[in-house]
Amino acid sequence: EAQVTQNPRYLITVTGKKLTVTCSQNMNHEYMSWYRQDPGLGLRQIYYSMNVEVTDKGDVPEGYKVSRKEKRNFPLILESPSPNQTSLYFCASSFYGSNQPQHFGDGTRLSIL
Amino acid sequence: EDQVTQSPEALRLQEGESSSLNCSYTVSGLRGLFWYRQDPGKGPEFLFTLYSAGEEKEKERLKATLTKKESFLHITAPKPEDSATYLCAVASSKGTYKYIFGTGTRLKVLA
Repeated sequence: EAQVTQNPRYLITVTGKKLTVTCSQNMNHEYMSWYRQDPGLGLRQIYYSMNVEVTDKGDVPEGYKVSRKEKRNFPLILESPSPNQTSLYFCASSFYGSNQPQHFGDGTRLSIL
Repeated sequence: EDQVTQSPEALRLQEGESSSLNCSYTVSGLRGLFWYRQDPGKGPEFLFTLYSAGEEKEKERLKATLTKKESFLHITAPKPEDSATYLCAVASSKGTYKYIFGTGTRLKVLA
């Protein structure tokens, strides 16, 4: 089954404790992206990747890191999480760049105390 | 600056009562406009892609249309299972590969 898998689905942690949210897709997609979704602000793009070793900032990259060492995986790293990063996070992937429809994972709900 | 605005924020319809959702956009060259449906606790699910003004796409009770400034999602004779949040997004051809989403329209269809 074609899918985007995120882990964990839920996480409660404390300020400053490094964490990684994993994202994996099995569709051989080149383009992968991370979003955060907040009430009243909608989905905002954090980082995206056009292919292996090619990443770029979205609209809200501050406080986040990403890497793309393999085509299927695109982890999101919070080096020193803060309460304002409490949010619902989605990973997505698509073929051949941003003019193709994206497939989304089911989301990761992060709470940072 | 690229921007997407959706209206209304929320909409309640009776079953069978047709209506339209609006997505207005400002973008430096449109690479594509996308409609997604999002159910509570789930990731967005792709519905349509529109690439140029005048284009229309249809699927069951949904029809998406595109002009140079806005897109409409028409819902004909909706059913309660059409209740969801509908999201609009654009991809610009400005030299980046970003997606910009609107804040969505929450649709509730009453039986």
